[in-house]
Amino acid sequence: AQSVTQLDSQVPVFEEAPVELRCNYSSSVSVYLFWYVQYPNQGLQLLLKYLSGSTLVKGINGFEAEFNKSQTSFHLRKPSVHISDTAEYFCAVSDTNDYKLSFGAGTTVTVRA
Amino acid sequence: ETGVTQTPRHLVMGMTNKKSLKCEQHLGHNAMYWYKQSAKKPLELMFVYNFKEQTENNSVPSRFSPECPNSSHLFLHLHTLQPEDSALYLCASSQNRDEQFFGPGTRLTVL
Repeated sequence: AQSVTQLDSQVPVFEEAPVELRCNYSSSVSVYLFWYVQYPNQGLQLLLKYLSGSTLVKGINGFEAEFNKSQTSFHLRKPSVHISDTAEYFCAVSDTNDYKLSFGAGTTVTVRA
Repeated sequence: ETGVTQTPRHLVMGMTNKKSLKCEQHLGHNAMYWYKQSAKKPLELMFVYNFKEQTENNSVPSRFSPECPNSSHLFLHLHTLQPEDSALYLCASSQNRDEQFFGPGTRLTVL
């Protein structure tokens, strides 16, 4: 079984500042890793995913994440945030042989002008 | 309609009512999922269907009953719910083990 820990429950940040959201996972098998975003009153939307290959993954809306196998981490970054990035962000992991996704508790990002 | 749709978007029900949530995916995917999202808790996987067959029941109480008549439709039948069942219920679909596409959810309130 896998588990995910998102180390920050809330991250306030000023517009145009960089942001990093931390995610650590535990698993005894190979994994796929995902970051999803949830805007108010909406479902989850995929930002990016790591399946294999390059450990630096680029996603939509200027986000990127780096897979670090030795540290079992998959931190999400954006160099310059916008007000519209205010949302909840979820890190998720799945076993490469399974359909189940395990989610972290989420990080609420609030971008202020 | 595109993507994953869910109806109704909001539902208020008493503990003795019977209601159903509907999910439809227009993506040609072969797997569908029900999740429960409660405030300040990780998303909880409830059920997984793969090619219409249930492959996962994550210890969900029997007052929640899923139904998957075909690969495009998924229902969640609700009866004699408890107030702690109030949550956002999310449906998702995927093609094999690739990324899951989520619907907007049904906000359920049990009185």
